[in-house]
This record gives sequence, C-alpha cells and structure tokens, in this order.
Amino acid sequence: QQQVKQSPQSLIVQKGGISIINCAYENTAFDYFPWYQQFPGKGPALLIAIRPDVSEKKEGRFTISFNKSAKQFSLHIMDSQPGDSATYFCAASPTSSNTGKLIFGQGTTLQVKP
Amino acid sequence: NAGVTQTPKFQVLKTGQSMTLQCAQDMNHNSMYWYRQDPGMGLRLIYYSASEGTTDKGEVPNGYNVSRLNKREFSLRLESAAPSQTSVYFCASNSFSYEQYFGPGTRLTVT
Repeated sequence: QQQVKQSPQSLIVQKGGISIINCAYENTAFDYFPWYQQFPGKGPALLIAIRPDVSEKKEGRFTISFNKSAKQFSLHIMDSQPGDSATYFCAASPTSSNTGKLIFGQGTTLQVKP
Repeated sequence: NAGVTQTPKFQVLKTGQSMTLQCAQDMNHNSMYWYRQDPGMGLRLIYYSASEGTTDKGEVPNGYNVSRLNKREFSLRLESAAPSQTSVYFCASNSFSYEQYFGPGTRLTVT
C-alpha cells in the first residue's frame, strides 16, 4: 500500500514562478515530514523538514505547509530558479518506532524554464 | 569525510548471476538502509539495520539479502538476479537525527 501519496508526478514552472508539490499520508503515527531533493546522477539530500506541532516552516525560498487535520503537507518553492530543477521526494516517519525509517512518496520531477 | 560511499557505480548482470553491492559510511551512524529507486515508484526500502548486529525487512525484500558487517558497512546481495531487479540502488545512513544521508547510488541492469 502507498502510505504517502505525492503529486504531481512532473511539474514545469517558469523562472520566478512558484512551484507547489503536494503530499498526503494515511498513518496518524507519522510525526516527522521531510522533503528531499535529488539532482540527476546523485543521491537524495535533505532539503527541509517539519514536525506536526507547527503548520509552516520556511527556509529561504523553500516553505513546508502542514495540515494535520487533512493529513496533507506541501512544499512551496518561491521565485523558482533553473538550478531548482531536480526530483523532489516527500517522506514521513513515525519517530516513536525508533527505527529511523522513512516512507517516501513517488517523487516529482521539477523543471524550471529560464 | 567521504560520507556514504557505494561500490560499484554501474553493473550489468545476466539473469541468474549473483552480486554484492557494498556500502560504507564514516559518520559513526547507527542505522543504515538500502533502497531501490524506480521511475514513478519513489524510493522503496529493501532492508534496514537499526543498529550493528540487527537487520530487518523493508517494503520490498524479496530476492535480496543483507549483511551488517560492522558499524560502518552494510552490504546488499542479489543471489540470483532477475530483470525485475534492474534499478538504481541507494544506501543511506542516519543516527539520532532522522536526517538520512544517501550515497551516490549503484545503477544495476539485469539482462
């Protein structure tokens, strides 16, 4: 079963625009929600993460919005740049399991056109 | 610090052949993970090791075995490769923080 559903699968945005990627989860035990960024030929790297005690977290041009009641969270990339072109994965984890395991979404390929 | 290293970077196998993917981390992390990445499927956990001496199945363990050789090294073995195992394989590690650090990946093709 797919515990974390991510959309859209691909996204094309003009330079300077806003990129929005959405994720939905089912397991209410999840309490850690990171976003990973992956460039072609590289491994994923942590971009930003949020815990459910806050509804929003911002780091530079990247913002996570979190809606606990809807079991949804999203990544907003403001002023998108060609260098942001990459694949983005949302993920979720039940930290109480103490295993460090992450459940990943299907990924979104973002292309930012100059 | 090299972080997480994986060997080999590329491999082509024939159906039925065996091979071992190697992973090592130099960050003194307790936990290590093996994922496979397929288009449209995201990253799926094959096996993980929460600490030295323990291993557990993930979401897609069939056809794979693992060994946590010591705290630094975690290997993934394909005993009899199948075309369905064509994928990009990533090793990752973490410790008390939930941030996982990924290696550069191994691109495996099974013909």
